Parts: sequence; C-alpha cells; structure tokens
Amino acid sequence: EAGVAQSPRYKIIEKRQSVAFWCNPISGHATLYWYQQILGQGPKLLIQFQNNGVVDDSQLPKDRFSAERLKGVDSTLKIQPAKLEDSAVYLCASSLLFSYNEQFFGPGTRLTVL
Amino acid sequence: AQTVTQSQPEMSVQEAETVTLSCTYDTSESDYYLFWYKQPPSRQMILVIRQEAYKQQNATENRFSVNFQKAAKSFSLKISDSQLGDAAMYFCAYKYIFGTGTRLKVLA
Repeated sequence: EAGVAQSPRYKIIEKRQSVAFWCNPISGHATLYWYQQILGQGPKLLIQFQNNGVVDDSQLPKDRFSAERLKGVDSTLKIQPAKLEDSAVYLCASSLLFSYNEQFFGPGTRLTVL
Repeated sequence: AQTVTQSQPEMSVQEAETVTLSCTYDTSESDYYLFWYKQPPSRQMILVIRQEAYKQQNATENRFSVNFQKAAKSFSLKISDSQLGDAAMYFCAYKYIFGTGTRLKVLA
C-alpha cells in the first residue's frame, strides 16, 4: 500500500514570496490533515478536511495561508506572502473517517524562508 | 480547552533497559482515544500505540505498553528492552493535538 506522498521535500524562498505544497493521501482515506511543525516542537494542526469539506481551520492564518482538497483526494497548501516565522516542516497526514483512527504521515516539506 | 503536555524534553536509557515517557492531557469528553507516535530522525512519524479511554486494560504492543490513568488524565509510555532503533522523538497525541515531544536517546 502506497503511503502519503508530499512534494516538494525541500523549499527555500525569500520572504514575501509565495509557495505551494502538495499532498496525496492514502487511497480511501477520508480525512486529511495539514500540520506545521516548527523545529523542536510538536505538530500544530493547520487544517483538517473530511472528504472535500473543511472540518477545522481555526488555527490556519487565513490572511496568508490557504488550502484546498481537490475532489476529496489530493490537497494543496499555499502560503502567500511568506514570512520568516513560516520556516517549518509542513506535514500532511491522512486517516480513515474517525478521530480514533490512526493517522499516517507523509515525509513532510521543509520550508526555509530567508 | 483540550491540551496535551509532555514535561520531559529529553530522556536517556541504556540499551536493554526500561524507560517511561510521561504525558498528561485535558479533555471534557468521556470517550476518546490517545496515541503515542514516534518520529525517528529524518523519517516519517509512525504510530506506536493507541489506547481507548473506555478500556480498563492498558494497551500493549510488543515492547511498548502504556499506563493509562483516566482520572488523573495521565498517559505514559513504557518501552521495555530498549533498542538503538528506539531513539527518536516521541509525541503523545489526543485527536490532532500533539504534545511538544520527548527526545529519547538510547545509549549502547
């Protein structure tokens, strides 16, 4: 079974530039999560999708971050414009429908904002 | 507010010894699941063990077991017979809320 795929793996940009990350979850997983993991900290949820609907985006900085899940499968997370404090690893995870289901994580995208 | 707290930033254990990682949480729900995830250096996060709050029996997966104290809202992870491959960051989680992690070092 293929795991959660993310691309790119690494990205370096200047502040005020835009960047997009892509995630392909495990086939059949209804729930998709985007997390931000700053060095030395635990993952912080940015947005949770169930199929193609948003369940929770309360911690997503909506003035600069946006996310969508196309046809309830792939998802993209965009930052525009980026700030220095956005430097982090962006993790995508997927799971079956419920909160008691195990989350499967992708390898992450390491973003450096200069 | 729902929170997860890990108070041990780093722990060390000798190979073949036992170590316990601590976690406390807060929730007003009565039925829920708790998780321990492992994040090896430069590798993907994976599930170690899961506990359902309604179950009295502590979960066990091979060398990994939990001590779940529902009233105290405590959920610790015990690793027995520690191996070099156990070295990683360990995160306690409730739903999509993660603690700050404990870095486990295994000494040969």
